[in-house]
Amino acid sequence: DAGVIQSPRHEVTEMGQEVTLRCKPISGHNSLFWYRQTMMRGLELLIYFNNNVPIDDSGMPEDRFSAKMPNASFSTLKIQPSEPRDSAVYFCASSLEVSYLNEQYFGPGTRLTVT
Amino acid sequence: SQELEQSPQSLIVQEGKNLTINCTSSKTLYGLYWYKQKYGEGLIFLMMLQKGGEEKSHEKITAKLDEKKQQSSLHITASQPSHAGIYLCGAERESSRAGSYQLTFGKGTKLSVIP
Repeated sequence: DAGVIQSPRHEVTEMGQEVTLRCKPISGHNSLFWYRQTMMRGLELLIYFNNNVPIDDSGMPEDRFSAKMPNASFSTLKIQPSEPRDSAVYFCASSLEVSYLNEQYFGPGTRLTVT
Repeated sequence: SQELEQSPQSLIVQEGKNLTINCTSSKTLYGLYWYKQKYGEGLIFLMMLQKGGEEKSHEKITAKLDEKKQQSSLHITASQPSHAGIYLCGAERESSRAGSYQLTFGKGTKLSVIP
């Protein structure tokens, strides 16, 4: 299996621009998670989906962030408009299901820099 | 909310030395995960502990969950340069939706191994 695939791996954009991050979970996994990692705050859960349905988006910083999962093999995280404080590494992870004691498999991350 | 404190924040050891990383929770741990992250890469699952007093080993890495289930330690024996990276502990907590669980993470311990 190819594992969790994320694109792009690096993104540099100017403040105010729209940014779209993409994720392909492991085939057969029903749950997908978006995380953000910064030096100050560590690894934070933004949102997660189960069977393509958003379950908990309480970690999404504000309305500028949105996430979709149109099908079982694809998800996007969009930031519009982007701001310098959004600079971070964004990880996507998937697991068999969102239930007790299920290992999450992480993608390589997208390093976002907003200037 | 579940707070996970990791210590030390960073660690530099000579190759061949043993070391221990700790993860302390403010609440009882029902599932404790250890992940390793190399720079520019995603998280790699190491081990999961569930029961108080449980101990697991993989190659030269041993993880324990104490009897009270509020602290876990990760011990590396005879460290090698390949052990270098950031070690994160993660704990299960119930999300805002009943019956659904998610991981919260500590901020990580950065390990450097000097040849």
